[in-house]
Amino acid sequence: AQRVTQPEKLLSVFKGAPVELKCNYSYSGSPELFWYVQYSRQRLQLLLRHISRESIKGFTADLNKGETSFHLKKPFAQEEDSAMYYCALSALKGAGGTSYGKLTFGQGTILTVHP
Amino acid sequence: DAMVIQNPRYQVTQFGKPVTLSCSQTLNHNVMYWYQQKSSQAPKLLFHYYDKDFNNEADTPDNFQSRRPNTSFCFLDIRSPGLGDAAMYLCATSITRDRVGNEQFFGPGTRLTVL
Repeated sequence: AQRVTQPEKLLSVFKGAPVELKCNYSYSGSPELFWYVQYSRQRLQLLLRHISRESIKGFTADLNKGETSFHLKKPFAQEEDSAMYYCALSALKGAGGTSYGKLTFGQGTILTVHP
Repeated sequence: DAMVIQNPRYQVTQFGKPVTLSCSQTLNHNVMYWYQQKSSQAPKLLFHYYDKDFNNEADTPDNFQSRRPNTSFCFLDIRSPGLGDAAMYLCATSITRDRVGNEQFFGPGTRLTVL
């Protein structure tokens, strides 16, 4: 079974401070990891995916298979980063008829960046 | 702009009265997903269509059905809504489901209230 854990429901930082949103996963196969973000009154949208190894809006995330983690980091938080962040896992191939490309979401972390 | 549209944005129904939620897309994507998100919880996949192929999640109640009459539209039918079905329902699409790093595009959601 797939499971994603985001231990922090709420995270508050001041503008310019570093921020790290934690994500741990459980999956026996080879996972695809994503971060999705939902800004106030907007729809859920992709922020970044581990396969791309990219930096989006200053955010990066590294897949650590040893620690089964995919933490999201930004060295200097901005007020416009305030949003709900979801870590998600996709099982590309499932055993026993599980869905291909199914996203399993964590509970989400509400990030608030104070001025 | 190409996008995922959900109607209505807010739906109120009575206990036991069938209700249909609608999703349409102009992205011409092959896959359409329905997620249920209860208050303060992670989005949870109910089912998805890969073209005309319907894929139900094992733990989706029989009370939930779906139809995809064409590429653009997908409907979520709740045959006899209970109080526990009150939630945000999210529709999402993706080009395919078995590509590495596959992105899902979300609609704004329909908030269902059951009286």
